[in-house]
Amino acid sequence: AQKITQTQPGMFVQEKEAVTLDCTYDTSDPSYGLFWYKQPSSGEMIFLIYQGSYDQQNATEGRYSLNFQKARKSANLVISASQLGDSAMYFCAMREGQGYKLSFGAGTTVTVRA
Amino acid sequence: DVKVTQSSRYLVKRTGEKVFLECVQDMDHENMFWYRQDPGLGLRLIYFSYDVKMKEKGDIPEGYSVSREKKERFSLILESASTNQTSMYLCASETGDNNSPLHFGNGTRLTVT
Repeated sequence: AQKITQTQPGMFVQEKEAVTLDCTYDTSDPSYGLFWYKQPSSGEMIFLIYQGSYDQQNATEGRYSLNFQKARKSANLVISASQLGDSAMYFCAMREGQGYKLSFGAGTTVTVRA
Repeated sequence: DVKVTQSSRYLVKRTGEKVFLECVQDMDHENMFWYRQDPGLGLRLIYFSYDVKMKEKGDIPEGYSVSREKKERFSLILESASTNQTSMYLCASETGDNNSPLHFGNGTRLTVT
């Protein structure tokens, strides 16, 4: 079964607008961590934001915030005030318990229009 | 800043060749990983290593092996390359703390003809 599901293969957003990228996850472990990465066309994977399952607050990092809904098992990434440089593929990932492995979703391509 | 360096950006190999993909990290990280990335499938874990000479299979280890003789270096080996191993290969490292992110190299795009 898929551990991480990203249902939006591609999205378009107007510059300066906000965009929400969906991510749902599947785990029975009460302890887990959720990560979002950005991959521009150049190929490098850039870590954006982390949310722990026991964190009380939704994570924020600059223009990135995580809408963490534990009961729904969703961890949507919100990018505010989109910039042209935000055009990239975005991956949601999860690590369960004390494990080493990070499981990734299929990714969502975001294209920011001027 | 953590630096993870993959030795080749692009590689073209023939079916049946033995292929080595090298990865070096400079931050004394305990854990190192090899993923492959294919469109629509995201990143899938091939192998990881949590210490020198220690390795564990990931989700898709068939057709691959790895070597970690030194802490900073993690090699992925394709014993006999096949066309279905044409892919982007990403190496990563991390400290081993539970909430630590993976730090990735720039990737190696391997084409097997």
